[in-house]
Amino acid sequence: GAGVSQSPSNKVTEKGKDVELRCDPISGHTALYWYRQSLGQGLEFLIYFQGNSAPDKSGLPSDRFSAERTGGSVSTLTIQRTQQEDSAVYLCASILQTGAGELFFGEGSRLTVL
Amino acid sequence: GENVEQHPSTLSVQEGDSAVIKCTYSDSASNYFPWYKQELGKRPQLIIDIRSNVGEKKDQRIAVTLNKTAKHFSLHITETQPEDSAVYFCAAGKNQGGKLIFGQGTELSVKP
Repeated sequence: GAGVSQSPSNKVTEKGKDVELRCDPISGHTALYWYRQSLGQGLEFLIYFQGNSAPDKSGLPSDRFSAERTGGSVSTLTIQRTQQEDSAVYLCASILQTGAGELFFGEGSRLTVL
Repeated sequence: GENVEQHPSTLSVQEGDSAVIKCTYSDSASNYFPWYKQELGKRPQLIIDIRSNVGEKKDQRIAVTLNKTAKHFSLHITETQPEDSAVYFCAAGKNQGGKLIFGQGTELSVKP
């Protein structure tokens, strides 16, 4: 696609429910990153993929968080048993290949856990 | 673990003045340092980056300096304009790939 696409753009859920956030990177981009941005905060690294494998998932806050990438393209970030502190904007970014320069970000998925 | 500290968290300047934002990083293996601008409600976008084989890079009103010995780098914006108002993020990573660690951001406000 022309840019990084994320869905849903907004998600309101109840505490304890599971949510799935989707990222569709720029076509041909081999690396994909997930970041979390809480209100007024910086960009917190969660995980990145090179192809379908995740060399670094050190930023995932707990075992309730998981992510996968299939076909070297679309990625899904899953949060199980959501908590209020999970409320944030989840940003996905892709890059042609790691180390190649600019990360192209999506618009983000705003998650609100009530 | 790897960490990037960014200061100040907020910065207010008059139109036409200069603005300077500073970052320090902890991982001495870092050799790639980009700066991103995020306007309100929008996605972060790259404005300039520098690699460790150079000490300074300039692009019109924006410049970045790097001191590898001290492990810090700075963004300089000259002749600021109201449209420069945004949140600016520094980041540190490695040329050969891997994660990019971001600072906490600086909210720049340029008053006309």
